[in-house]
Amino acid sequence: GAVVSQHPSWVICKSGTSVKIECRSLDFQATTMFWYRQFPKQSLMLMATSNEGSKATYEQGVEKDKFLINHASLTLSTLTVTSAHPEDSSFYICSARPGQGDSDTQYFGPGTRLTVL
Amino acid sequence: GQNIDQPTEMTATEGAIVQINCTYQTSGFNGLFWYQQHAGEAPTFLSYNVLDGLEEKGRFSSFLSRSKGYSYLLLKELQMKDSASYLCAALDSNYQLIWGAGTKLIIKP
Repeated sequence: GAVVSQHPSWVICKSGTSVKIECRSLDFQATTMFWYRQFPKQSLMLMATSNEGSKATYEQGVEKDKFLINHASLTLSTLTVTSAHPEDSSFYICSARPGQGDSDTQYFGPGTRLTVL
Repeated sequence: GQNIDQPTEMTATEGAIVQINCTYQTSGFNGLFWYQQHAGEAPTFLSYNVLDGLEEKGRFSSFLSRSKGYSYLLLKELQMKDSASYLCAALDSNYQLIWGAGTKLIIKP
C-alpha cells in the first residue's frame, strides 16, 4: 500500500530556532500534500495544503511566514517552523494524496513530535 | 512490520447499524484512534481507546481488544451525513501513528 514517511519522528529544540520537518510519499507521486497539527485526543487541524510546484494554501489563522511549506517535488514536502516557541510544541502530521479530487484517498504520515523548550 | 487493516468500503442503510473493523500489528501499543473524514475536509476525532472494552459516545461506540489486536467502530441509527471515510490509527511504542487506509462508508436511503 501507499506509504508516507516523516522525518524526524521527534525533535526537541530551543526557543527561537527553526525546525524543518520532511514528508515523503515513498511509493507514489503526491499531487497534493497536507500539513496538520494535532493536540491530544483532538481532531487534526489543517494548517495548509500544498500542490507540487506552487505556493501552499494556508488555513485562516495559520501564519504563512512562521510555517514555511515547500512542495518541491511530487514525493517531498517540507514544513519549516521558523523561530519556534513553546506554544508551537505539538504533533505535526502530513498526508499525501495521489489525485486531485477531494474524494481521493489521503495517506497519512506517522507524525512528528515537536517540543520547543 | 507494522500494519493496520480495515475494509476499503462498506455500504449500509439509513437508520441501520454498521460495524467497521480494524486489526493492527504494531511495535508496542499506546492506544487506538478512530477519525471521521468527509471528502475535502480534515479528519475529525471520534474516539481513543487504550484499555480493553467498549466506549460509548452517543450514536458512536468504539471497542478495543488488545490481546487480539482488534478494534471496531459501531455506528447506530445511521444518518446520511455519516457517509464518510473512517480512519483507524494506532499509536506504537514510539508514539508514532500507524494509519489504516480508511473505510469509505456509503449510506443509502
